[in-house]
Amino acid sequence: AQKVTQAQTEISVVEKEDVTLDCVYETRDTTYYLFWYKQPPSGELVFLIRRNSFDEQNEISGRYSWNFQKSTSSFNFTITASQVVDSAVYFCALSEAGGSNYKLTFGKGTLLTVNP
Amino acid sequence: GAGVSQSPRYKVAKRGQDVALRCDPISGHVSLFWYQQALGQGPEFLTYFQNEAQLDKSGLPSDRFFAERPEGSVSTLKIQRTQQEDSAVYLCASRTGLLTEAFFGQGTRLTVV
Repeated sequence: AQKVTQAQTEISVVEKEDVTLDCVYETRDTTYYLFWYKQPPSGELVFLIRRNSFDEQNEISGRYSWNFQKSTSSFNFTITASQVVDSAVYFCALSEAGGSNYKLTFGKGTLLTVNP
Repeated sequence: GAGVSQSPRYKVAKRGQDVALRCDPISGHVSLFWYQQALGQGPEFLTYFQNEAQLDKSGLPSDRFFAERPEGSVSTLKIQRTQQEDSAVYLCASRTGLLTEAFFGQGTRLTVV
């Protein structure tokens, strides 16, 4: 069975601080996808990134960066120079890479509050 | 429309009442999913459609839950004889193909009293 653990329930930072959201996963699949989604107060899940298990290269997109460590089954997300608009619940998710890749297993989420 | 649209946004149902939740996916999106998100939890998979075919309904919690997508576009999630434990946000998502990202709607918050 697949499992995603986001140990940080809530994080509070002051604007311009860097913040890292942790994600640890468990799967028996040899190939899989990892995701991060943002859920602002409006409720919809906003896609941030999808990473294939074959690709361990770290990725940077503006103020966002992701660190995939297959050896420790972790896929951490860092926001650099945080802004108030980054305040949201962030979910890490996992799916198999085969025919059931539509079925995402989500963590419980981390509530990030960025204070001005 | 530009995104996935769900209606109603909020629904209060009395225990035992039947409810129907609607999802309008992005035009042309072949795949459609329903997820259930309890308060303070991550979304949990309910069911998956490819066009009008329901290919996976393994996540539906009981036979009181039923989903359909008769013309391969709009989908309806129906819950019969609602119970308090059905209170949650129901999220719908759609995507164009097997390897593309899924776009989620804002969800329907169901409260059973």
